[in-house]
Amino acid sequence: QSALTQPASVSGSPGHSIAISCTGSSSDVGSYNLVSWYQQHPGRGPKLIIYNVSYRPSGISNRFSGSKSGDTATLTISGLQAEDEADYYCGSYTRSGSNWVFGTGTKVTVL
Amino acid sequence: EVELVESGGALVQPGESLRLSCAASGFTFGFTFSRFWMSWVRQTPGKGLEWVAKIKPDGNEKYYVDSVKGRFSISRDNAKKSVYLQMNSLRDEDSAVYYCATSSGWYFDDWGQGTQVTVSS
Repeated sequence: QSALTQPASVSGSPGHSIAISCTGSSSDVGSYNLVSWYQQHPGRGPKLIIYNVSYRPSGISNRFSGSKSGDTATLTISGLQAEDEADYYCGSYTRSGSNWVFGTGTKVTVL
Repeated sequence: EVELVESGGALVQPGESLRLSCAASGFTFGFTFSRFWMSWVRQTPGKGLEWVAKIKPDGNEKYYVDSVKGRFSISRDNAKKSVYLQMNSLRDEDSAVYYCATSSGWYFDDWGQGTQVTVSS
C-alpha cells in the first residue's frame, strides 16, 4: 500500500505553532482512530509522541497534540522550541496489505 | 524506562544471510517484555520507515510485509527478553537501518537505536 502523505518540510519560529498533516484514505486514516506520530532526531530511533489520534504517552509534553478530520490527521506543535527540530512521521492501521503504513516524513525546522 | 538494543547488522553480499538481535531491558512491574508484541521496522533514506515483521507476545503468531515473506523469520525468547530477525536471501533493497520496537496497541511504544544492514556486492 502507498505511504501516507506528509509535507516534506515545515518551519516555524520559537514560541509559535506549526501543524503537520498526514493524508491517507478511507482504508486507513479515514476509517480508524489508530493514527500515531513519531519524532526522530538525527542518529536516533523514532520516539512515540501521539497514539490513537490524540493521546500522549506519559512524559510527552502537552505542546504536542493530535487530531483527525476525514482522511487527514494533524500533529500540532505549540510553543515551538529548538529541541523540536527533528523529523516527524505519522503511521496508521490500514485494512489493506500488511495492516500498517507510515507517512513519508516531515522535517521540522525551528527558525 | 524501556531500553532496546539492536545488534547484528553488517555488510553482506546479495543472497547471504544475517541474524539481527534485539535485547530489551527496563520494564517496570506489570509491564513485562512477555506482554508486548514486538516488531522490526526498517528505514532507508529513499523509502522512509517500513514495518517488516511482528510477533505476538507468546510467539505463536507472526506477520510479515509481503516483500520479505519466505525470506525473513521473526522469533523471540521471553526468558532472555530478546527478539530476533533471521534474514535469508538478502537483496540490495533490504539495505536499511533496522529497528526493533514494542507494541502495546496499534502503535510502536519504544524503539531501539537501530542497526545498519548493507547488502552490496
